[in-house]
Amino acid sequence: EDQVTQSPEALRLQEGESSSLNCSYTVSGLRGLFWYRQDPGKGPEFLFTLYSAGEEKEKERLKATLTKKESFLHITAPKPEDSATYLCAGYGGATNKLIFGTGTLLAVQP
Amino acid sequence: DTGVSQDPRHKITKRGQNVTFRCDPISEHNRLYWYRQTLGQGPEFLTYFQNEAQLEKSRLLSDRFSAERPKGSFSTLEIQRTEQGDSAMYLCASSLDDGSPLHFGNGTRLTVT
Repeated sequence: EDQVTQSPEALRLQEGESSSLNCSYTVSGLRGLFWYRQDPGKGPEFLFTLYSAGEEKEKERLKATLTKKESFLHITAPKPEDSATYLCAGYGGATNKLIFGTGTLLAVQP
Repeated sequence: DTGVSQDPRHKITKRGQNVTFRCDPISEHNRLYWYRQTLGQGPEFLTYFQNEAQLEKSRLLSDRFSAERPKGSFSTLEIQRTEQGDSAMYLCASSLDDGSPLHFGNGTRLTVT
């Protein structure tokens, strides 16, 4: 069965303290790995799509990378406004839908 | 850029009542998706449309749930005879085509009392 697993469930960082979030996937025929940011009470906001192992994408303090088994979201020198839940999702498998992980709740303290 | 719009934002209903939610996707997007999200979980797929055709329904979608997308524009999701377990955030998303990023609305939060 297609599955996406994220770790850790929650992460607390000090402002400026860099770290990484992990997304492990078992999605047959993966055609894309998506990262989203979700603020409380709002829908997920699209960040990145990665299509093949070795691909990297960057946006401000965030960088996403992809291997054949997992993806990482690296956060460099985070700020309090980076606090949110980060969701990873795989696209492909037997059906054309995004399969989401449960997310990592990131809190960045000033 | 108007984004994906959902209405209402919040709905409180009594068990056994019917409710209907509306989603207006980004205008040039062909695909429209419905997801459900409960606290501490990621969104779970319910169903999706390619233009006006409903192409897939999740096993999570019981017979009490029905979705339509007349004319391939806005969509409605109806839940009949609501149960307390239906309480969740119902998210709508649209995408340009297969494999394109999904863009989500801010959801409708349903509370069944």
